[in-house]
Amino acid sequence: DADVTQTPRNRITKTGKRIMLECSQTKGHDRMYWYRQDPGLGLRLIYYSFDVKDINKGEISDGYSVSRQAQAKFSLSLESAIPNQTALYFCATSDLGHQPQHFGDGTRLSIL
Amino acid sequence: ELKVEQNPLFLSMQEGKNYTIYCNYSTTSDRLYWYRQDPGKSLESLFVLLSNGAVKQEGRLMASLDTKARLSTLHITAAVHDLSATYFCAVMWGADGLTFGKGTHLIIQP
Repeated sequence: DADVTQTPRNRITKTGKRIMLECSQTKGHDRMYWYRQDPGLGLRLIYYSFDVKDINKGEISDGYSVSRQAQAKFSLSLESAIPNQTALYFCATSDLGHQPQHFGDGTRLSIL
Repeated sequence: ELKVEQNPLFLSMQEGKNYTIYCNYSTTSDRLYWYRQDPGKSLESLFVLLSNGAVKQEGRLMASLDTKARLSTLHITAAVHDLSATYFCAVMWGADGLTFGKGTHLIIQP
């Protein structure tokens, strides 16, 4: 089983719909992150959380919200989806210190 | 605002050749990461560089960090087809998330 699991893996939806992407991890890490990847732009940080009571905005948080339901679960919501939110979304985790972040397999989201 | 620039963004090379990917960043940091991404896949951690002068090697890949120049390099020695992928450098600033470069799309041809 994957250490960082994202659901769904693919989603097609319409403009204006509310969408939730979910991330769960079995690594026991405190820190969790949401990124989006657009072709030719690398990954950009949306939100991150250092523990259940800690939520922080990243570089591109507008139009998104998150919820840290438990240490192992971190969900990303698009309250009213728009086409330019079409992208590949990654969840990542890390523990304290300098260790690299571990990424899930990604959710490919298309908004029509 | 931290900016991370990679070059080249696209590289086509022949097997057996050597080449270097460069990663420049704009503000002081002592944590730099290299990741590999295969098409349609997740990101795989390759190297973690934590101090000035750090050098890490794994197989045909070698990464180095010069914090004074704010430069990291990823050197490919005697390239093989299996190294074809997109390579990202990413810099950690403060205790927050990573800032990524745009990636170098590497194609290695027989």
